[in-house]
Amino acid sequence: QVQLVQSGAEVKKPGASVKVSCKASGYTFTSYGISWVRQAPGQGLEWMGWISAYNGNTNYAQKLQGRVTMTTDTSTSTAYMELRSLRSDDTAVYYCARDLVVYAMEADAFDIWGQGTMVTVSS
Amino acid sequence: EIVLTQSPGTLSLSPGERATLSCRASQSVSSSYLAWYQQKPGQAPRLLIYGASSRATGIPDRFSGSGSGTDFTLTISRLEPEDFAVYYCQQYGSSPSTFGQGTKLEIK
Repeated sequence: QVQLVQSGAEVKKPGASVKVSCKASGYTFTSYGISWVRQAPGQGLEWMGWISAYNGNTNYAQKLQGRVTMTTDTSTSTAYMELRSLRSDDTAVYYCARDLVVYAMEADAFDIWGQGTMVTVSS
Repeated sequence: EIVLTQSPGTLSLSPGERATLSCRASQSVSSSYLAWYQQKPGQAPRLLIYGASSRATGIPDRFSGSGSGTDFTLTISRLEPEDFAVYYCQQYGSSPSTFGQGTKLEIK
């Protein structure tokens, strides 16, 4: 079945970096883009950025520019999100989510979601 | 960026009743690129509606979406016990994609 499986929970100190993985299966990885969406405890959803698994094009939320990098490894059908210079307000569940349509040029609606990765930033 | 405002913040209804959730955009949403998601505690969001009115695969027909421009609505015709959750709208017609703050649908 089509699924996205994310890496496990992380605990980081302020100023550190975290890299979360999202392994796809059950579909042609390079046909769809992947977005990353985060959700702080008890809060709503925040779109962080998007990467095309077809050509590697990216589009990041302005507030995260310079701190976030999204990449893909097509040999393993895995997407990655790295966030640097972590702060306490980066504490959240991080989701990867697949575009609804193939070969979208930008972030689309999301039909498949990973299970989420809890990232806790604390000294 | 387009700001999405959902109302009400909390909606208290009983099973069998009709639910109407609103999502208003600060500017027109391009090509009705508006989606609705359902999220239950401890779970990832689930896509319900895309393109303002198209149901996603496997979504029951009691869920319907409507609207265009800046005003969109999600309607649940007859609430089932499993429908009580938080609902989010998302616009994906303009970058950055943005989400509303959510409507919590609770059992009365």
